[in-house]
Amino acid sequence: SQKIEQNSEALNIQEGKTATLTCNYTNYSPAYLQWYRQDPGRGPVFLLLIRENEKEKRKERLKVTFDTTLKQSLFHITASQPADSATYLCALSFSGYALNFGKGTSLLVTP
Amino acid sequence: GAGVSQTPSNKVTEKGKYVELRCDPISGHTALYWYRQSLGQGPEFLIYFQGTGAADDSGLPNDRFFAVRPEGSVSTLKIQRTERGDSAVYLCASSQAGTSGSKPYEQYFGPGTRLTVT
Repeated sequence: SQKIEQNSEALNIQEGKTATLTCNYTNYSPAYLQWYRQDPGRGPVFLLLIRENEKEKRKERLKVTFDTTLKQSLFHITASQPADSATYLCALSFSGYALNFGKGTSLLVTP
Repeated sequence: GAGVSQTPSNKVTEKGKYVELRCDPISGHTALYWYRQSLGQGPEFLIYFQGTGAADDSGLPNDRFFAVRPEGSVSTLKIQRTERGDSAVYLCASSQAGTSGSKPYEQYFGPGTRLTVT
């Protein structure tokens, strides 16, 4: 069956460092992959979308890579700030519209 | 402009009761999605509407769950004979369209309705 796996343990980093979050998937070849941010008590907020023919996408301090051979996406936040602390969700579409989400990785950036 | 709104924000109900959860999507968004999120998990797809019709309801766990979108905007998720296992946050999202070939659209989520079945 299709699976999406994200780092199960919380990631704690110091302010100013680069945070790297991992998303692995199995038994599927998605045309694109999305990353969302979720704060406690709120719905997910879209961050970035990367297509299968794009190796890398950037938006301000965010960078996403997509390796379809490894079936992996990496999500980087450079110069991290305490305000970046949240849960980050990886999402794929297995059927063209509805999203299938990973469990998310909790990021804590300490001053 | 206004984002996706959901009401109520919290709902506590007794086992066996009927509940309705409402979603008001972003104006002009033709696609509407319902997801369910349990503690420590990512959102789980329930149903997708394109306009007024349910294009995919394969995520609905059983026939106690039903959703409508009669005029192509507001949607209501209905749960009959609620069970304790239905307790979760129910999220609604909307997008400009579903995906069409190589053109996917990001989804805009509401704050969710926290349902607690006692």
